[in-house]
Amino acid sequence: QVQLQESGPGLVKPSGTLSLTCVVSGDSMSRSNWWSWVRQPPGKGLEWIGEIYRSGSTNYNPSLKSRVTISVDKSKNQFSLKLSSVTAADTAVYYCARDKDGSRKLDYWGQGTLVTVSP
Amino acid sequence: DIQMTQSPSSLSASVGDRVTITCQASQDIGNYLNWYQQKPGKAPKFLIYDASNLETGVPSRFSGSGSGTDFTFTISSLQPEDIATYYCQQYNNLPFTFGPGTKVDIK
Repeated sequence: QVQLQESGPGLVKPSGTLSLTCVVSGDSMSRSNWWSWVRQPPGKGLEWIGEIYRSGSTNYNPSLKSRVTISVDKSKNQFSLKLSSVTAADTAVYYCARDKDGSRKLDYWGQGTLVTVSP
Repeated sequence: DIQMTQSPSSLSASVGDRVTITCQASQDIGNYLNWYQQKPGKAPKFLIYDASNLETGVPSRFSGSGSGTDFTFTISSLQPEDIATYYCQQYNNLPFTFGPGTKVDIK
C-alpha cells in the first residue's frame, strides 16, 4: 500500500522560507512516477504547486515559479518543497501526491499538513 | 492557464437522489479531466480519470462524461457517505488546474 507523509514546521514567519518533506512508502521514487505538491488555503480550493520526476526534472506553476523549489532524494525515498518569501497568502494545508507513471492521475495523497504564515 | 468552473457551488439532495455536477474548461481539453472527492479534514480522493473512467475500487454509482470544454459528474443514488466536496481537474496543459469545487450535502 502506497503511503505519503508530509512533515515540516507548522509556523513560518513572513518573508521566511516554507520547507516541507514528503516521505514515500510502498513505492520507490526510482520508478517512473511524478510527484506533486498541492495546497489548499483554509476554506478554499486546490492549487497545484509543481512536480518532480525521479531524474530531478521539475514543472512548476508559473504563479509560484519564482519562489518554489522541489527536490528529490531517492536514497531516502522522499521529496521536498521549498517556498520562499512567504506571506499570509501562503497559509494553507500542503499535500504531496503521486502521479503514477505520468498518467496525470494523482492517485495517492498524503494526509496534508497545515502551514501558517504569521509573525 | 486553463480556467475551470463548476456548478453549482453547493447542493443539497436526499439519500437516493441523482446528483449532477457540471465542470467547464476555458478551452478545449479533450478528455483530459479528473474528478476528486474531498471529505472534511481529509485529503482528496481520486475518483475518475480521462473524464469517464472509474478508478479501481470506486463505487459504480459515480460516473463522468463529456469532452472538449463541458463535463458532467453524476452520483446515480446519493448515499450518506458521499457527503463531500467534489473537484474537477484538467491535465491537458500545465499547470494542472482545479475547479472551485461543489459541496454536496444531505437534505
